[in-house]
Amino acid sequence: GENVEQHPSTLSVQEGDSAVIKCTYSDSASNYFPWYKQELGKRPQLIIDIRSNVGEKKDQRIAVTLNKTAKHFSLHITETQPEDSAVYFCAASMRGSARQLTFGSGTQLTVLP
Amino acid sequence: DGGITQSPKYLFRKEGQNVTLSCEQNLNHDAMYWYRQDPGQGLRLIYYSQIVNDFQKGDIAEGYSVSREKKESFPLTVTSAQKNPTAFYLCASSTGGGGNQPQHFGDGTRLSIL
Repeated sequence: GENVEQHPSTLSVQEGDSAVIKCTYSDSASNYFPWYKQELGKRPQLIIDIRSNVGEKKDQRIAVTLNKTAKHFSLHITETQPEDSAVYFCAASMRGSARQLTFGSGTQLTVLP
Repeated sequence: DGGITQSPKYLFRKEGQNVTLSCEQNLNHDAMYWYRQDPGQGLRLIYYSQIVNDFQKGDIAEGYSVSREKKESFPLTVTSAQKNPTAFYLCASSTGGGGNQPQHFGDGTRLSIL
């Protein structure tokens, strides 16, 4: 089955700096890659997703890049703010997979004021 | 996401007791899921259901059971066979169709052992 590895497990940045979180996946048939943000004790919320027919997608300060050849994808957050502090999860899914999503182990992002 | 309601928010289980976690959605989604989240770990899939009256085991189904009698509801029972049930349980739903639809999560239920 699909395996998703996520790095780093913890990340601290100064407010205003950029943060990058990377994930690798094992199944070349995977074609959908969402990112979720989870604040402490709350539900994961979808912040951005990308499909395998594009290499990059942006939404204001957030961007995701996908390298299908290398089977990895990354989340980029620019101009970080304290409210960006949370756990971020990547996930991957294969078309036709009833399981839908396999999640990475998460990255605790701390933005220092 | 107000479309998925999990209850209760906190639940305590005694030894040998079965407990049931509720998950209701009004998003008209076909597919529903249960995940377990332990501290410092990602989400692990317990069970999932693509349509009413059908469900499949995920990666960690032992000690759990589910039912899907209505499209809106997907309750999870944590049985006494689950020896380490303390965790945060998340229910999710999606439009289904297989493979590439976003999942929407409820607020979770935190289960602890008395």
